[in-house]
Amino acid sequence: SYVLTQPPSVSVAPGKTAWITCGGSNIGRKNVHWYQQKPGLAPVLVIFYSSERPSGIPERFSGSNSGNTATLTISRVEAGDEADYYCQVCDRNIDQHVVFGGGTRLTVL
Amino acid sequence: EVHLVQSGAEVNKPGESLKISCKGSGYIFISYWIAWVRQMPGKGLEWMGTINPTDSQTTYNPSLQGQVSFSADRSISTAYLQWRSLKASDTAIYYCARLKHFDYGDLDYWGQGTLVTVSS
Repeated sequence: SYVLTQPPSVSVAPGKTAWITCGGSNIGRKNVHWYQQKPGLAPVLVIFYSSERPSGIPERFSGSNSGNTATLTISRVEAGDEADYYCQVCDRNIDQHVVFGGGTRLTVL
Repeated sequence: EVHLVQSGAEVNKPGESLKISCKGSGYIFISYWIAWVRQMPGKGLEWMGTINPTDSQTTYNPSLQGQVSFSADRSISTAYLQWRSLKASDTAIYYCARLKHFDYGDLDYWGQGTLVTVSS
């Protein structure tokens, strides 16, 4: 089975940059999506196709993907960015078809 | 505006059957697959599978195959997730989401979630 590995937690001061990684075998060859989930709410798509931003998502959110690591970058972090972030890939060649990472809790200090 | 509205919280006993719903609006319901995602208490997101509202074709996460079933009624723009016999381990929040592109798995709109509690 295909496994996506995320750090359980990342902490960052307001105004700084946060990097949240998602590791997977040859993930650079796949389309990676990122979701933000705040407590008690449904997830929200913040990055799709590794680096595309849906309408309404601030430019502070960006994504990259190469080799065995995809990265979600949040610039000029705000208190409202505090949430859990999940990466996701879809590959019809793997049994599960779609896999989520374990999630990363972003704490704004 | 696109909306997915799910049915309300449920409390059931082990062994009971259950069907929860997800009603789409603001878009052509049959144009997009619907995905179901499970979130167990305090845990991450887990892909359950998908259904095509056009013809009710389904895909299931192999780890869940046989434990749940998906269905859809295109005439009322509603998708369903069903259990024949609930277990305590089915306690979770269940989300439906619109699958923007079937081959890429991106979920662009989500329902608010349905909390299912299974307890004797």
